[in-house]
Amino acid sequence: GEDVEQSLFLSVREGDSSVINCTYTDSSSTYLYWYKQEPGAGLQLLTYIFSNMDMKQDQRLTVLLNKKDKHLSLRIADTQTGDSAIYFCAESNDYKLSFGAGTTVTVRA
Amino acid sequence: DTAVSQTPKYLVTQMGNDKSIKCEQNLGHDTMYWYKQDSKKFLKIMFSYNNKELIINETVPNRFSPKSPDKAHLNLHINSLELGDSAVYFCASSRRGAYEQYFGPGTRLTVT
Repeated sequence: GEDVEQSLFLSVREGDSSVINCTYTDSSSTYLYWYKQEPGAGLQLLTYIFSNMDMKQDQRLTVLLNKKDKHLSLRIADTQTGDSAIYFCAESNDYKLSFGAGTTVTVRA
Repeated sequence: DTAVSQTPKYLVTQMGNDKSIKCEQNLGHDTMYWYKQDSKKFLKIMFSYNNKELIINETVPNRFSPKSPDKAHLNLHINSLELGDSAVYFCASSRRGAYEQYFGPGTRLTVT
């Protein structure tokens, strides 16, 4: 919601890199997450980053965190058609996860 | 084996009815959650239980009542259903601290 903001749509060509951006407001967030939701399915945790890290890489996924600007990004290298989904940024503080509105990524051939 | 399961997957009912959605997790987690996802895909937490104890209760009408008979189950009961309750409801679970939450497949509730 209002504490976590993301752009709503991203269209990318197959094979290119996708970059999804997110800003958050809670400076006390301990972890920041990226979740993926495919049509008709639940949310799947893709990756997360601890708030004292700047970057995390996991295969085709790279997460960058700028804690000063409260900016989080997810880069997907070599985007495939199976990457088409809604991607949610989320921050956590103790038990509570606050989600952004989700970015719908469409991969075109 | 399904980690977090919900029943039913679809629920269509009329205004004013009372309905329940069940959730079970077999991950041995202590904490369970209910989220509501509206038609614009906006996802918001409703409740969280840790070891059967309510720890998060967001601004949710008191027509919604969660019940946790044991730490593997968190059911959601909704009284006097309204049109605005139509949404997809997701159950999730985690170890203590929301470190990594596992989501169920969702229950699509349609109130007519």
